[in-house]
Amino acid sequence: ETGVTQTPRHLVMGMTNKKSLKCEQHLGHNAMYWYKQSAKKPLELMFVYSLEERVENNSVPSRFSPECPNSSHLFLHLHTLQPEDSALYLCASSRTPTLAGGINEQFFGPGTRLTVL
Amino acid sequence: TQLLEQSPQFLSIQEGENLTVYCNSSSVFSSLQWYRQEPGEGPVLLVTVVTGGEVKKLKRLTFQFGDARKDSSLHITAAQPGDTGLYLCAGLNYGGSQGNLIFGKGTKLSVKP
Repeated sequence: ETGVTQTPRHLVMGMTNKKSLKCEQHLGHNAMYWYKQSAKKPLELMFVYSLEERVENNSVPSRFSPECPNSSHLFLHLHTLQPEDSALYLCASSRTPTLAGGINEQFFGPGTRLTVL
Repeated sequence: TQLLEQSPQFLSIQEGENLTVYCNSSSVFSSLQWYRQEPGEGPVLLVTVVTGGEVKKLKRLTFQFGDARKDSSLHITAAQPGDTGLYLCAGLNYGGSQGNLIFGKGTKLSVKP
């Protein structure tokens, strides 16, 4: 058990649907991340929240909308996705690097396998 | 743009063999991590190396950080089927304010009984 849970584990949605991915961490961390993992590509960082504030948005299309209501929970709201958005979406958490002596050890959840039809 | 190149991309070996996986960059990293990811799961942190030239051992796995902190290697001795998975290296940007990790594409290892 990694201490980071994600739901659902699998999601199939049409291009006109609205759905949300949920992530919860039980490690007392104060930074949370969303990554996209596609075949033959490195993990792509999508969003970073540190101390509940969004500190990074890596040119992610607006059809992806993150929400971090507190330091333990992170959501990714999905709306009018495209088939090319099909991928494994991973959530991770860590202590903020400045508080961890410049080291950023991230703990990942199991991911949500998303298929967009 | 910082890049981490991992090699080889794929490796298929027999149980009991030794192997080395490489992670290279032209950039300096303040620390570097290795993760293992199994199908359908998220990456699991194996080790963090911080000091140039540092060597860390985790049972049959030996990790080394290059002297210039631009590269790293992972050596597995007497590989077992349980070692099968995707091995990812990730570097922390030296002096980066956000502390975001840069990931390599990974090495997919298959160890056959």
